[in-house]
Amino acid sequence: SAVISQKPSRDICQRGTSLTIQCQVDSQVTMMFWYRQQPGQSLTLIATANQGSEATYESGFVIDKFPISRPNLTFSTLTVSNMSPEDSSIYLCSVASVRDEQFFGPGTRLTVL
Amino acid sequence: AQSVTQLGSHVSVSEGALVLLRCNYSSSVPPYLFWYVQYPNQGLQLLLKYTSAATLVKGINGFEAEFKKSETSFHLTKPSAHMSDAAEYFCAVRGQGGNKLVFGAGTILRVKS
Repeated sequence: SAVISQKPSRDICQRGTSLTIQCQVDSQVTMMFWYRQQPGQSLTLIATANQGSEATYESGFVIDKFPISRPNLTFSTLTVSNMSPEDSSIYLCSVASVRDEQFFGPGTRLTVL
Repeated sequence: AQSVTQLGSHVSVSEGALVLLRCNYSSSVPPYLFWYVQYPNQGLQLLLKYTSAATLVKGINGFEAEFKKSETSFHLTKPSAHMSDAAEYFCAVRGQGGNKLVFGAGTILRVKS
């Protein structure tokens, strides 16, 4: 399975600011994804990070709020822009393996004051 | 479209007792089904997956799940609960050929000594 790291592991931010979360994988992967887990809730897919093209966003998520970069096959960033307390969540990146599995990073726990 | 329903947001069992976590799915195409476990303050770990091979799937830590098409179910079981099994468990579905994982709401398993 792939080893996935995320930075930062947690952060406390002020309303109106932006935070960029990094996701690094120890091997080249085609598919990378960003999920959000709001407090006490399940995971919701934000977008699929495509290498060499724009990310594909799910309904309810927009590029202006959650810009994503995917400069190569091992790295991606998610930015949470103009944050509000409602953005307080755990943000997780995941990768798809050739064996139809998805592996998740440890998550970034974000608190917005 | 796919969806997952996990019956019971909280399940409590005694140590050594049978663990049964329920998952029912809906899918417009043949599904792939997954169970993940999330320990406190950690990311998700894949327990097991069903990808149209054997209907009884064995995973890590003694867990197994049976795919029952007639019941659209994929319940997770373990014969004997251990204290270390206390965690939140998520069932997820995606269509064959797709990449988007749709998660259930999660079931928190408590193991009593």
